Amino acid sequence: ETGVTQTPRHLVMGMTNKKSLKCEQHLGHNAMYWYKQSAKKPLELMFVYNFKEQTENNSVPSRFSPECPNSSHLFLHLHTLQPEDSALYLCASSRYRGDIQYFGAGTRLSVL
Amino acid sequence: QKEVEQNSGPLSVPEGAIASLNCTYSDRVSQSFFWYRQYSGKSPELIMSIYSNGDKEDGRFTAQLNKASQYVSLLIRDSQPSDSATYLCALNPGGGSNYKLTFGKGTLLTVNP
Repeated sequence: ETGVTQTPRHLVMGMTNKKSLKCEQHLGHNAMYWYKQSAKKPLELMFVYNFKEQTENNSVPSRFSPECPNSSHLFLHLHTLQPEDSALYLCASSRYRGDIQYFGAGTRLSVL
Repeated sequence: QKEVEQNSGPLSVPEGAIASLNCTYSDRVSQSFFWYRQYSGKSPELIMSIYSNGDKEDGRFTAQLNKASQYVSLLIRDSQPSDSATYLCALNPGGGSNYKLTFGKGTLLTVNP
C-alpha cells in the first residue's frame, strides 16, 4: 500500500461511453500525475498537476480530460475513446515535482 | 535528445548470480536518482534512491552513482526468480522542486531458477 488509491481497478467501456478514473492520495503530497502504459511499452507521462494547477500536458488528445479539485484528488475523464487507448493508467504523487513518485495500483482500461 | 538511457534487455541471469542494471543520463546537473521495480501488469514501486556519488546498499540491492561519468547502476546480489521484473531508472534532471522526474524505458530482468 503506497498511500495512492486508484479506482476502478478494471474498466471496460465502449467507444461512445463516458467514464472517469479516480485517484486519491493520503500522503500530503502537492504534485500528482497521470501516466499511460500500453502493453510492453514504457511509461508515458500524460498530465502533471502541482498545487492543483496543471503544469504539463504532453500533447494528450482532448478525449482525455483531467481534473484536480484539490491536492489530494485527481480525476481523468474519458469520452469517445479509441481501442488504441486500452492500457494501464497509472496515477502517482510526490511531495514536489522532482521528488520520489509513489504510484497507485493503476486502472486497467479496455476500450471495445 | 533522450535524457535517460537504459538497455531494454532482456537481461537474463541465473539464480544466485549478480544482476547489473545500468542507466546513463545526459544532464550534468541532475541531482536525484531513483530505481523502480515494476512487475508485469503492476505499478512501479521504489527500490532505491541515491543522491551522492558512491555506493548505497540496502539488503541485496546496491545503487552506484558516478556523476562525472553520468551513470547510475543497480546491482542485485544473490538474484532470485522473484526479482524478475522491469527495472526503471528515474532522475530529477534539474535537481530542484521545479522539475519532474524523467523515467528511462526500463530494463527487463529475468532470473532463471
